[in-house]
Amino acid sequence: DAKTTQPNSMESNEEEPVHLPCNHSTISGTDYIHWYRQLPSQGPEYVIHGLTSNVNNRMASLAIAEDRKSSTLILHRATLRDAAVYYCILRLTSNTGKLIFGQGTTLQVKP
Amino acid sequence: GAGVSQTPSNKVTEKGKYVELRCDPISGHTALYWYRQSLGQGPEFLIYFQGTGAADDSGLPNDRFFAVRPEGSVSTLKIQRTERGDSAVYLCASSLTGGGLAGDNEQFFGPGTRLTVL
Repeated sequence: DAKTTQPNSMESNEEEPVHLPCNHSTISGTDYIHWYRQLPSQGPEYVIHGLTSNVNNRMASLAIAEDRKSSTLILHRATLRDAAVYYCILRLTSNTGKLIFGQGTTLQVKP
Repeated sequence: GAGVSQTPSNKVTEKGKYVELRCDPISGHTALYWYRQSLGQGPEFLIYFQGTGAADDSGLPNDRFFAVRPEGSVSTLKIQRTERGDSAVYLCASSLTGGGLAGDNEQFFGPGTRLTVL
């Protein structure tokens, strides 16, 4: 299974943008890049995913490098409710769709 | 609409006992996944069902763990002869489809069952 590398932790101030990086140098052409987050005491929650092009949704934006070896999840204005563990995951279209979670990045948002 | 639900929310048992954990997926979702999350770690895949069949059980740690989904909706994870190392949060997720379209599908997670083996 393809591996991702994320910083263990990051801090942000409330109402400021947050850029969460992810390296995935072994990505293959059929791997989708998915981001999930897990708030304290809850199950993970889907955030966004993409294949090659940058993606936007109501929660966040996903910027994918041209060579696809890295990506960045962008929260445009962090709120206290965004404090969570953020997981960057590669999903193959050919496998069963299981998610292989790493350690993720723990995001702390300061008021 | 209703999300994924799991029961019980907490289960305390003694070493050596048998436990069953239940997952009710979102109606109409054909794919169902079980994960296990130990303290401070990311969730770890256990088993995947497509419909009634277990399409991938490569994550089950040993033969004490077993899961069923007899009618293609509700699933039960069964653990025999529980050990202290089985203590974790057991998460269930469902998605509209799995397999070949999985790369483009989001999974919806339940709140988990916290299992404590004394």
